[in-house]
Amino acid sequence: EVEVVESGGGLVHPGGSLRLSCVASGFTFVNYAMTWVRQAPGKGLEWVSAISGSGGSTYYTDSVKGRFTISRDNSRNVVYLQMNSLGAEDSAVYYCARGSTTVVPRAFDYWGQGTLVTASS
Amino acid sequence: QSALTQPASVSGSPGQSITISCIGTNNDVGNYNYLSWYQQHPGNAPRLIIYDVSQRPSGISSRFSASKSGNTASLTISGLQTEDEADYYCVSYTRSTTWVFGGGTRVTVL
Repeated sequence: EVEVVESGGGLVHPGGSLRLSCVASGFTFVNYAMTWVRQAPGKGLEWVSAISGSGGSTYYTDSVKGRFTISRDNSRNVVYLQMNSLGAEDSAVYYCARGSTTVVPRAFDYWGQGTLVTASS
Repeated sequence: QSALTQPASVSGSPGQSITISCIGTNNDVGNYNYLSWYQQHPGNAPRLIIYDVSQRPSGISSRFSASKSGNTASLTISGLQTEDEADYYCVSYTRSTTWVFGGGTRVTVL
């Protein structure tokens, strides 16, 4: 059974940093791209970042470029999202999802339950 | 990258059919078939219900169907049921090698 489980969320002061983790199981991890999607309280979904199966290609939405870094450890079936210079606008539930293909996801087919990030003083 | 345009809400009675539109541009919906739809019940994670414009994943009811014409994609729910009451999002791959979601549509079963 495919499963993705996020962790690492929490309360952080504006300007601070946080690293999210997403552990995957039930499939051959290296064969799939992975992505992060966020949802601010009461708002819609927003795509944040994606990484190819090999880790050689990474993609970011403009608002997080230069602040967030996505990476993966294929030996541990984990994908990370390092978030720096956090602001209130980054407060959201962060979902990890599997991409349906290896390099450029055609869709996001399995989702975790999300981890809440709150940037507030 | 601007969000794709979806109606904020759509409603229908049980048994009826409803259609949700998703309007993009030539930089996303109009140029790529990496167009998918997601259902999200309150407090839950999103669930993939349509991929590649019109394909249903295993286990998704045939009451869900979708299509695309030009810059507009559409999701139709036939034989509306109370369990279909949820938020629905479209998402498209873009020319900028990013993905863009629609603003979401709240479906209410009257």
